Amino acid sequence: GAVVSQHPSWVICKSGTSVKIECRSLDFQATTMFWYRQFPKQSLMLMATSNEGSKATYEQGVEKDKFLINHASLTLSTLTVTSAHPEDSSFYICSARDKSVPYEQYFGPGTRLTVT
Amino acid sequence: GENVEQHPSTLSVQEGDSAVIKCTYSDSASNYFPWYKQELGKRPQLIIDIRSNVGEKKDQRIAVTLNKTAKHFSLHITETQPEDSAVYFCAASMNNDMRFGAGTRLTVKP
Repeated sequence: GAVVSQHPSWVICKSGTSVKIECRSLDFQATTMFWYRQFPKQSLMLMATSNEGSKATYEQGVEKDKFLINHASLTLSTLTVTSAHPEDSSFYICSARDKSVPYEQYFGPGTRLTVT
Repeated sequence: GENVEQHPSTLSVQEGDSAVIKCTYSDSASNYFPWYKQELGKRPQLIIDIRSNVGEKKDQRIAVTLNKTAKHFSLHITETQPEDSAVYFCAASMNNDMRFGAGTRLTVKP
């Protein structure tokens, strides 16, 4: 149980275009999902926290108009990187919290974004 | 907000030796402390966790200790094996807010 999927696993896009990444909880309901960004050889940096049915809470320094997050259902959250630039190239990982299991977060497999 | 510091950044041990990774946190309200193992290009995998009402927890070769007063917690891996080689992250969490340490790259030499 407690499986989180992400799609796509990798994507290459041109500078200026937008990319959407999906995060799904496959066998549990996730009232809260988290989006992290990880640059090579660095730690996971929390970008935003999204709660189902409400607006996401963004961390300081993360542009909410550039990284659009939607958490429309208890099993799906999406991150859209708008007007992508090469510096947005990174490993994006989502995680989800099972509403019936406190504390623990379950991580998706990550999406590697390369902006050319 | 919470700030988590992790040391060392790299650790190399001989197979069979023990490895210890230490973390400190700043927010005394944090009450959940997981440790993750991450292999290159893959998702972090939870290997052990501890809550603030417990001082120590052990799972086979892995143990975690927590000192709430000093606000630090440690990961102990005994009888290390080459497959333990990976990057390990500590984290501290309170409610929805989980912050990660910078990571420790552990290399176990056969």
